Parts: sequence; structure tokens; C-alpha cells
Amino acid sequence: EAGVTQFPSHSVIEKGQTVTLRCDPISGHDNLYWYRRVMGKEIKFLLHFVKESKQDESGMPNNRFLAERTGGTYSTLKVQPAELEDSGVYFCASSPGLAGGLNEQFFGPGTRLTVL
Amino acid sequence: AQSVTQPDIHITVSEGASLELRCNYSYGATPYLFWYVQSPGQGLQLLLKYFSGDTLVQGIKGFEAEFKRSQSSFNLRKPSVHWSDAAEYFCAVGPWNRDDKIIFGKGTRLHILP
Repeated sequence: EAGVTQFPSHSVIEKGQTVTLRCDPISGHDNLYWYRRVMGKEIKFLLHFVKESKQDESGMPNNRFLAERTGGTYSTLKVQPAELEDSGVYFCASSPGLAGGLNEQFFGPGTRLTVL
Repeated sequence: AQSVTQPDIHITVSEGASLELRCNYSYGATPYLFWYVQSPGQGLQLLLKYFSGDTLVQGIKGFEAEFKRSQSSFNLRKPSVHWSDAAEYFCAVGPWNRDDKIIFGKGTRLHILP
């Protein structure tokens, strides 16, 4: 079974540009989470989808960040326009939902975003 | 408030020596506890997890962790480290009974001396 995949693995953009990160969860997982780690800080929650609905977006830093999960499968996280402080590693995780067991989240390899 | 504290930002040990990484948590309900490792250029890999049962949990790569409710701790241990264990280690806590976010500590970077 394929794990959580993320694309791209690295992205280097200039301040003011737009970047879109993609996450493909494990097939059949209803829950999809985005987290990020900026330099020197802890990994922090951004938002949580249940299928195509946003369950919790309390961690989104500002309105330059837009996440979507059309059709309840893959998700995209767009940053527009990107700022220097957006640099970091963006992780995606998925979980099957409690019907499938405990709240165990499976993480992708992350996308390293560098804003110059 | 819900939080995870990893008091050691960096730890250096010699290859073959024992290791203990500290983790304390604050959580309002029964916690679901995790240790993850991130090797250079890699993603987050789950080392072990604990929800209930035996308070000493065995994980992958020879790691174990002990849950101590009275101390709100979940320290990670390994009897003998290998050079390949050099990485960053994250302790995390979340709810076991609902689909919700995980809260991470700031991480401990482990350096191995040859």
C-alpha cells in the first residue's frame, strides 16, 4: 500500500510568487492534515480536512494560505503571495478515521519550501 | 493548555553509548503519545506510540519509551546508539478517541560521536 505522497519535494521561489503544494493521502483515508515546521520551531498544525470539508483550520497563519481538497482525495495548499517567513517544511498526514482504529496519522515526506 | 516539552535541543552521545531523550506533556485527556524521527532529507517516521497497556513500549530500530503518568513523561531510550541514529526526534501527543491534530515538541537533535 502506498504511503502519503507530497509534491514537490523541494520548491524555491521568490518573495511575492505563488506556490502550490500537493498531498496525496493513503487511499481511503478520510482525514487529511497539513502541518508545517518553520526554521527552528516546532511542527505546527495548519488544518484538517474530513473528506472534502474543512474540519479545523485554526492553524492557518493568514489569508495568503488556501487549502482545498476537491472530491475528498488529494489536497493542495497554495501560498499566494509567498513571504520570507513562509519558508519551512510542509508536512501532510492522513488517517482513516476512528472507524478504522485509533487516531493514528501517517505522514508524508514533506515539501521543503524556500522563499528568497 | 496542551503542550509537549522536549528540554534538550541538542544531545551528543558516543556510538555504542546509551541514550535517553526526555519528553513531558500537558494534555487534558487520556493522551495518545508518539515519538517520530526525521533523518536528514527524510520525512517523519513513526518510531513508536502509546495509548494504553504496558507502559514500556517497544518501537522500531531498537528504541523503547516508557510512559509515566505521575510525571507526565514519555522518555525515549535506546541501549546502544548507532551512527545511523543521528537525526532529529520529535515527541508528540494527540487524542486517541477523535480525529484531531497532533501536538509536537520542538524536537531534539541527536549527534553521534564516532
